Amino acid sequence: KQEVTQIPAALSVPEGENLVLNCSFTDSAIYNLQWFRQDPGKGLTSLLLIQSSQREQTSGRLNASLDKSSGRSTLYIAASQPGDSATYLCAVKAAGNKLTFGGGTRVLVKP
Amino acid sequence: EPEVTQTPSHQVTQMGQEVILRCVPISNHLYFYWYRQILGQKVEFLVSFYNNEISEKSEIFDDQFSVERPDGSNFTLKIRSTKLEDSAMYFCASSEAGGSEKLFFGSGTQLSVL
Repeated sequence: KQEVTQIPAALSVPEGENLVLNCSFTDSAIYNLQWFRQDPGKGLTSLLLIQSSQREQTSGRLNASLDKSSGRSTLYIAASQPGDSATYLCAVKAAGNKLTFGGGTRVLVKP
Repeated sequence: EPEVTQTPSHQVTQMGQEVILRCVPISNHLYFYWYRQILGQKVEFLVSFYNNEISEKSEIFDDQFSVERPDGSNFTLKIRSTKLEDSAMYFCASSEAGGSEKLFFGSGTQLSVL
């Protein structure tokens, strides 16, 4: 059974610092991995999707890497801003088409 | 970017009542899903639906739950007799295909069972 873990559970940084969020998964037989942003009481906004054949994806200040063999992904957010404060979720998609989510990292960027 | 639309955004109901949560997936998508998130917990898979039938369901998705695509645009989740522990945010999602295709999520329905 796929298990997804995100460390740390919470992170507080001053504005301008780079953020590093970690995600690990137990079964490397995945189709892809998605990173989401969730604001309190709100829905899931997809940030980046990395296919199993890819090593990384970039969008603006966001960069996500994937090491499938070791079961790890890292989301980097450069030059953090207070508007980046949110919970970041990773989810892996495996056989059967369902996503398995991690517990999230709650990020606070202090001005 | 096209969106998955969910209504209502909030639903309050009494224990034992039936609720129907509604979703309009992206128009050319063929796979539909429901997920839920109990406050403070992980987002959990409930069910996937393709070609007018359930393709996979989790152990949470018991006989109290059902899904339907009553017409060409809506996808609904029915909870027959709600329990307190059904209180959660329910997310609908859709994808163009299975496999490696990206899932697009709606903004959720917050269900409160009193």
